[in-house]
Amino acid sequence: NAGVTQTPKFQVLKTGQSMTLQCAQDMNHNSMYWYRQDPGMGLRLIYYSASEGTTDKGEVPNGYNVSRLNKREFSLRLESAAPSQTSVYFCATVGLYSTGELFFGEGSRLTVL
Amino acid sequence: GNSVTQMEGPVTLSEEAFLTINCTYTATGYPSLFWYVQYPGEGLQLLLKATKADDKGSNKGFEATYRKETTSFHLEKGSVQVSDSAVYFCALNSGNTPLVFGKGTRLSVIA
Repeated sequence: NAGVTQTPKFQVLKTGQSMTLQCAQDMNHNSMYWYRQDPGMGLRLIYYSASEGTTDKGEVPNGYNVSRLNKREFSLRLESAAPSQTSVYFCATVGLYSTGELFFGEGSRLTVL
Repeated sequence: GNSVTQMEGPVTLSEEAFLTINCTYTATGYPSLFWYVQYPGEGLQLLLKATKADDKGSNKGFEATYRKETTSFHLEKGSVQVSDSAVYFCALNSGNTPLVFGKGTRLSVIA
């Protein structure tokens, strides 16, 4: 039972390069989220998708784009990476009838040089 | 808007000491409250939750009571172990809004 799977787990980029973080879930959950975690800042919401075909901005969306490819997959794209985007990125999901409990992936550590 | 404030860390305790991590919140409506734990190198996992006032969530010896009158959800454990060393996050959601997290409190327990 994989739950929420993120790839890659580690990535080093140069400033200006692009990349996509992938997230896939096998929990049949409707809502999916991308957070970033930085020291002293807690978790901040980048984008979320309440259901297949919809996406919404969170607290810190600038510099990112997302795609909800289908119910299972939600990708996060950095078109032109900046050092300020060095962070640990977490994908999370929540079921339709839950009390809001999030299930997290293991994280993707991104370093932008 | 919704927000969560939790005590700054790091917190360092000796094994078997009593733990309290304070959490207060601001929210519209009737939020659900959560504590998540993050062990080194891992994602967050739910530790406990409470969905209405006066509910007590508990798990692995940790407890937290939803206090609407003081808008608080403090995390407690009577006797911590080295294995409890982790980062703890208080969080809330209200209605259909995404979960909002506090900044996290790092706990280190020394033998």
